[in-house]
Amino acid sequence: DTAVSQTPKYLVTQMGNDKSIKCEQNLGHDTMYWYKQDSKKFLKIMFSYNNKELIINETVPNRFSPKSPDKAHLNLHINSLELGDSAVYFCASSQGASGSYEQYFGPGTRLTVT
Amino acid sequence: GENVEQHPSTLSVQEGDSAVIKCTYSDSASNYFPWYKQELGKRPQLIIDIRSNVGEKKDQRIAVTLNKTAKHFSLHITETQPEDSAVYFCAASHTSGNTGKLIFGQGTTLQVKP
Repeated sequence: DTAVSQTPKYLVTQMGNDKSIKCEQNLGHDTMYWYKQDSKKFLKIMFSYNNKELIINETVPNRFSPKSPDKAHLNLHINSLELGDSAVYFCASSQGASGSYEQYFGPGTRLTVT
Repeated sequence: GENVEQHPSTLSVQEGDSAVIKCTYSDSASNYFPWYKQELGKRPQLIIDIRSNVGEKKDQRIAVTLNKTAKHFSLHITETQPEDSAVYFCAASHTSGNTGKLIFGQGTTLQVKP
């Protein structure tokens, strides 16, 4: 029974295109996150939602727009893709929004922009 | 801003030896310090965590120590096995009001040679 799932697992697209990544969690958690892991493996938070409300928005280009239709789902839409957007994007969820709870990660979406 | 430094970036040990990974953090208000293990091509998964009211925590072959005064914490793995080979990330919580996030270290690639 998958706790945090993401689709697609792989995404290869050309510069300038628009793409979306979807995330779902069945843990009943209130808080969800998007992370970007670059080629050097560095994990950086992008966004966080708590009960469908955006609570953390790091310095991410406006081309990235998260959306949470309900507290079990968090999607990421990326407009006008650039080469530098190539990375692995992880969704995660946690019980609360304080930053002091275990975070459960999804399997990741490897985005390659050519 | 908030920062977590992790060392070393790579660590190679012989099977059966111990491995130690160290992290320092900048936010003196951080109160939660998890360690995540990421195997190749997989998601990060929590292996152990410690809160600021505890100095040490052990779980079988892994242990974490925390020195709040010096703002550093360490992961200790004893009797290493080849399946311990992975990237290990430390993290520290950073809270602002009612919301918080995890700030991750740069990661340590551990290789355990059989």
